[in-house]
Amino acid sequence: DAGVTQSPTHLIKTRGQQVTLRCSPKSGHDTVSWYQQALGQGPQFIFQYYEEEERQRGNFPDRFSGHQFPNYSSELNVNALLLGDSALYLCASSGLQGGVGYNEQFFGPGTRLTVL
Amino acid sequence: AQSVTQLDSQVPVFEEAPVELRCNYSSSVSVYLFWYVQYPNQGLQLLLKYLSGSTLVKGINGFEAEFNKSQTSFHLRKPSVHISDTAEYFCAVSPGSARQLTFGSGTQLTVLP
Repeated sequence: DAGVTQSPTHLIKTRGQQVTLRCSPKSGHDTVSWYQQALGQGPQFIFQYYEEEERQRGNFPDRFSGHQFPNYSSELNVNALLLGDSALYLCASSGLQGGVGYNEQFFGPGTRLTVL
Repeated sequence: AQSVTQLDSQVPVFEEAPVELRCNYSSSVSVYLFWYVQYPNQGLQLLLKYLSGSTLVKGINGFEAEFNKSQTSFHLRKPSVHISDTAEYFCAVSPGSARQLTFGSGTQLTVLP
């Protein structure tokens, strides 16, 4: 079992650019959540995808958007990048495996985004 | 809405000493409670979780936590720490019927030789 995988590992962009981050969930999982972790802080929930639709959203602007594909993998897109978007972006997957199902999330290693 | 407060941002402790990392939460509904560990430049790894039942929960690497509903706390403990336990620890809550996690700001545990 490969677990949750994310790509790329690191990314450097300049202000105003757009970025796409990718995530493949753990085998058997159908729900993908995205979190932003700024330096020295806890992760903040961005949104969650299930059945190819955004089901829940945290307090993030519309510049943050996503997509889920039929194979359950997901993308996070951020438009018009700001310096404050520099962070570690974590993907987590969940599903009916693991006892409590959707309330237990497995995290990937993250993508470190630096905006200059 | 839920919120999580981790009362100590940094906890230094000597090797083989006991440690307690404190977590308090606020929620208007029942929640599931979690502790995650994050090693440098890595993602989050689940240490333990409270769903229901016994209020004392045992996790991986010798960690345990106790759920106290009256005090809305979920403190993490280990009787004897190792150098390898040096990491950032996050407490998180999730509403029973929803799916997103709300995290605290983290506690950096540093184990000293």
